[in-house]
Amino acid sequence: DADVTQTPRNRITKTGKRIMLECSQTKGHDRMYWYRQDPGLGLRLIYYSFDVKDINKGEISDGYSVSRQAQAKFSLSLESAIPNQTALYFCATSDPDRGSTDTQYFGPGTRLTVL
Amino acid sequence: SQKIEQNSEALNIQEGKTATLTCNYTNYSPAYLQWYRQDPGRGPVFLLLIRENEKEKRKERLKVTFDTTLKQSLFHITASQPADSATYLCALDPLGGGSYIPTFGRGTSLIVHP
Repeated sequence: DADVTQTPRNRITKTGKRIMLECSQTKGHDRMYWYRQDPGLGLRLIYYSFDVKDINKGEISDGYSVSRQAQAKFSLSLESAIPNQTALYFCATSDPDRGSTDTQYFGPGTRLTVL
Repeated sequence: SQKIEQNSEALNIQEGKTATLTCNYTNYSPAYLQWYRQDPGRGPVFLLLIRENEKEKRKERLKVTFDTTLKQSLFHITASQPADSATYLCALDPLGGGSYIPTFGRGTSLIVHP
């Protein structure tokens, strides 16, 4: 979805390195999310933010941190990358409608490999 | 414990047939259920949403049913085409209030053979 962009799209790094994944959106949504996806495990929520001043931990936040620089930007950091953080990472946005359903709009993903 | 179950085995069907995918859940009382499509290496794309008070929802060749007694949703693609081959994820509202982040199933892969 061109409305949600992620950089980089692919990254190979070494154990112990600090990595930042960036997400930008032009949808004007207040809510933004970071997920990781592993084969056989599905999508798991890392962090989410309902507005610029609101940051919340998801299911698997250990080893990650986030920054919501603006309504349109939400970054995910791995302070000291380890091999089991090798995964496909997705950013998503949502804007609950009148019925309060959080339909998620996903970015194209970042494939991260930690050696 | 709460579970969302989708068949982990790929569904293989012939072009033109109807594909039916299943999403079962336990220990949830969702206010809604969503279906997403995911192509390899790409982000999921929202397809359909069905609310707890709706039995069926349609969009073009897609049909979703929601049985809150059976705790099951069925996702149908009629007149399937090879381009429908993808992984399909169901997601539901985990707290039942209709106002929280959806929880995703692991998805079922659909392969449509020409």
